[in-house]
Amino acid sequence: GAGVSQSPSNKVTEKGKDVELRCDPISGHTALYWYRQRLGQGLEFLIYFQGNSAPDKSGLPSDRFSAERTGESVSTLTIQRTQQEDSAVYLCASSLASGTGGTGELFFGEGSRLTVL
Amino acid sequence: GENVEQHPSTLSVQEGDSAVIKCTYSDSASNYFPWYKQELGKGPQLIIDIRSNVGEKKDQRIAVTLNKTAKHFSLHITETQPEDSAVYFCAAIVNTDKLIFGTGTRLQVFP
Repeated sequence: GAGVSQSPSNKVTEKGKDVELRCDPISGHTALYWYRQRLGQGLEFLIYFQGNSAPDKSGLPSDRFSAERTGESVSTLTIQRTQQEDSAVYLCASSLASGTGGTGELFFGEGSRLTVL
Repeated sequence: GENVEQHPSTLSVQEGDSAVIKCTYSDSASNYFPWYKQELGKGPQLIIDIRSNVGEKKDQRIAVTLNKTAKHFSLHITETQPEDSAVYFCAAIVNTDKLIFGTGTRLQVFP
């Protein structure tokens, strides 16, 4: 079956522009995560959605970052007024269940590489 | 806040040797500890995980050990092969629901 799909795979934008990154999780997965990975760095937690619960936004680095998720399907990560330090790969992952329940295994997409000039 | 520390950041071994990567966590409530492997240009993939009710888990050449008292866990790869070369991330559940990753270890296996 289809895995986690992210688009665009590559995005080059100018400083100050807004960008939207999209994630299509695996069907039936209730949990969805966004992570940021700067070049050669680790996975930085951004935001987490679980079912109909309020999202955990504790990792969003500034108010320029926001994310939405429609039910248990598509999610979009929006970065407003992009800065050069926003350049990174943005990874989305989905899971059957969160935390201690279910398998806990995250299935990652291949990421959206954002370059801010 | 809650975090996961990982060491070393880079590791080079000869083919056939063993590799060990160590992680520590701060949230004493954490009870799920997965390890992910990330190959170049791809998203991370789960290779093995362990829950807090066991101290060790093995799957062929890879094993994970957990010491809940000391709050650390380790990945062991035996008989390393060139295709094991990748970046490895440990992770832990924090606040009972959120998966936080370590900073990663770049493993290079030389033939």
